[in-house]
Amino acid sequence: DIQMTQSPSSVSASVGDRITITCRASQAVGNRVAWYQQKSGKAPQLLIYAASRLQSGVPSRFSGRGSGTDFTLTISSLQPEDFATYYCQQANMFPRLLTFGGGTKVEIK
Amino acid sequence: QLQESGPGLVKPSETLSLTCTVSGDSISSSAFHWDWIRQSPGKGLEWIGSIFYNGITYYNPSLKSRATISIGTSRSHFSLILNSVTAADTAVYYCAREPLAYNYAADSWGQGALVTVSS
Repeated sequence: DIQMTQSPSSVSASVGDRITITCRASQAVGNRVAWYQQKSGKAPQLLIYAASRLQSGVPSRFSGRGSGTDFTLTISSLQPEDFATYYCQQANMFPRLLTFGGGTKVEIK
Repeated sequence: QLQESGPGLVKPSETLSLTCTVSGDSISSSAFHWDWIRQSPGKGLEWIGSIFYNGITYYNPSLKSRATISIGTSRSHFSLILNSVTAADTAVYYCAREPLAYNYAADSWGQGALVTVSS
């Protein structure tokens, strides 16, 4: 199975900071990577799909990059509503298997 | 929109059964997969499985064949059955829509249903 290693597990940052979260796949996954934001008690919300495509309605301060095994989610200027937990997700095609990273909690410094 | 429903408490060794009601889309559309995903308390996300409009299913092998996903006869809902549950199956269970155009990403999720396994 393809493993997805997400780092860091937590980050403390201030409003206006730029932060980057990384996911590394144990083998190449093409661009089959998505990023989600989850706030406490709520369902995850899609931010980025196909590694770099911004979901409709998501602010442009969120961006995704990468292909193959290394992927990043960047928030260019943290806003108060961005403090949440972020998950990456990758997909193996054959057999079909979706796997999530362990999550990164973004906390207020 | 998606909405999960089902019992919030299941006894160990028994069967967990959840339904996801889909509104605004057709499960008969070939444009989507329909997923079940769970999250244990304080933990990360785990994909359980998916179903396509024609009934083809895919499951996470970690569940050791305990899961079954099916489409309802009205085609307005799909369901999850998980057999032989243990405390480790206590989780919030989400149903989600996965557009084929989104490269395996789920763009719409239900609010989640907490299922506790306890005697």
